[in-house]
Amino acid sequence: DPKIIQKPKYLVAVTGSEKILICEQYLGHNAMYWYRQSAKKPLEFMFSYSYQKLMDNQTASSRFQPQSSKKNHLDLQITALKPDDSATYFCASSQTGVNYAEQFFGPGTRLTVL
Amino acid sequence: GQQVQQSPTSLVLQEGENAELQCNFSTSLNSMQWFYQRPGGSLVSVFYNPSGTKQSGRLTSTTVIKERRSSLHISSSQITDSGTYLCARGGNTGKLIFGLGTTLQVQP
Repeated sequence: DPKIIQKPKYLVAVTGSEKILICEQYLGHNAMYWYRQSAKKPLEFMFSYSYQKLMDNQTASSRFQPQSSKKNHLDLQITALKPDDSATYFCASSQTGVNYAEQFFGPGTRLTVL
Repeated sequence: GQQVQQSPTSLVLQEGENAELQCNFSTSLNSMQWFYQRPGGSLVSVFYNPSGTKQSGRLTSTTVIKERRSSLHISSSQITDSGTYLCARGGNTGKLIFGLGTTLQVQP
């Protein structure tokens, strides 16, 4: 059984629309993260949460908003979508807090913005 | 400049050959992690190796903190080892900084 679930696996959106990417982990971990992978670029850190509190935000745009309704959930809301937002978005988690922790990744959501 | 540099960029091996992948960090190192990724796939943690040497089957990782580098050695490569190997430097807010990866192709 997958321990980190991301939904949907594929997502196509039109420019200007809003989407929510879902992430749930069943590893009992206390910290969760979002990363983005675009073509030709290194994997890029976006957010880290520990015990449902924001620890770090490296996204320049407020269009990206993480939402943590439960300890094992960290969704990502993206508003006013742009073609440049097209990427694979990965959710990750770690057992303890965020401090130099080993991280485990989900299967990703591939977003295409037309 | 890039904080995490991986070499080589790509590598083609015959099945059974060994591979040595390198990761160099431009800043001080507290933790690092090696990942494996298939095209279109997710990242699988291969090693969490803040320092020293770790081995798992045919894979060995050695991290030398003072020299700000880590290596991943694959012995007796198999076709199923093909994919991209990524290294990442850890941070105190959980931020992993990734290199661009080494793409490994193992041919029969």
